[in-house]
Amino acid sequence: GAGVSQSPSNKVTEKGKDVELRCDPISGHTALYWYRQRLGQGLEFLIYFQGNSAPDKSGLPSDRFSAERTGESVSTLTIQRTQQEDSAVYLCASSLNPLAVSTDTQYFGPGTRLTVL
Amino acid sequence: RKEVEQDPGPFNVPEGATVAFNCTYSNSASQSFFWYRQDCRKEPKLLMSVYSSGNEDGRFTAQLNRASQYISLLIRDSKLSDSATYLCVVNREAGTALIFGKGTTLSVSS
Repeated sequence: GAGVSQSPSNKVTEKGKDVELRCDPISGHTALYWYRQRLGQGLEFLIYFQGNSAPDKSGLPSDRFSAERTGESVSTLTIQRTQQEDSAVYLCASSLNPLAVSTDTQYFGPGTRLTVL
Repeated sequence: RKEVEQDPGPFNVPEGATVAFNCTYSNSASQSFFWYRQDCRKEPKLLMSVYSSGNEDGRFTAQLNRASQYISLLIRDSKLSDSATYLCVVNREAGTALIFGKGTTLSVSS
């Protein structure tokens, strides 16, 4: 079956503009996660959805970042008034059932590479 | 102390070598443990889950020591295609995001 998909694959924007990044999780996966990876760095957790709710938003770096999920499926990560330090690869992952150890494995999409000029 | 710590390497080994990576985690309540592999400019991909009893998948063996809060990955008979960054990953508790180590870089040469 299809894996996690993300769009766009690459996004170049000017400082101060807003951007929207999209994630389509694996069908039937109840949990969806957003991570960020700066060049040469490890993965940083941003936000987690269970269904359409976000029980953990602790990783969002500022109020310029927001995310929503609809229909227990697609999710959009929005960055307002982008800054150069927002440049990174934004990765989305989904898992079947995060509340059970046997089904909490997360599968990643290919990421969106964001460059803020 | 970081939640997940790994030796960043790089580990440079010849083909056929055996190499071991170690990882420690700080939260004794952690329940799920994984090794992911990340190739350059690609997304992380699950290599294997790590179980208390230890598990093996072909040339790869993972071990978990809960008492010492230590995870290991052993790669036998290294191949050129094993060159990648290996990420030690811990899930603090069910229903939370994965905590990633910074990764250990492996370079296998002919």
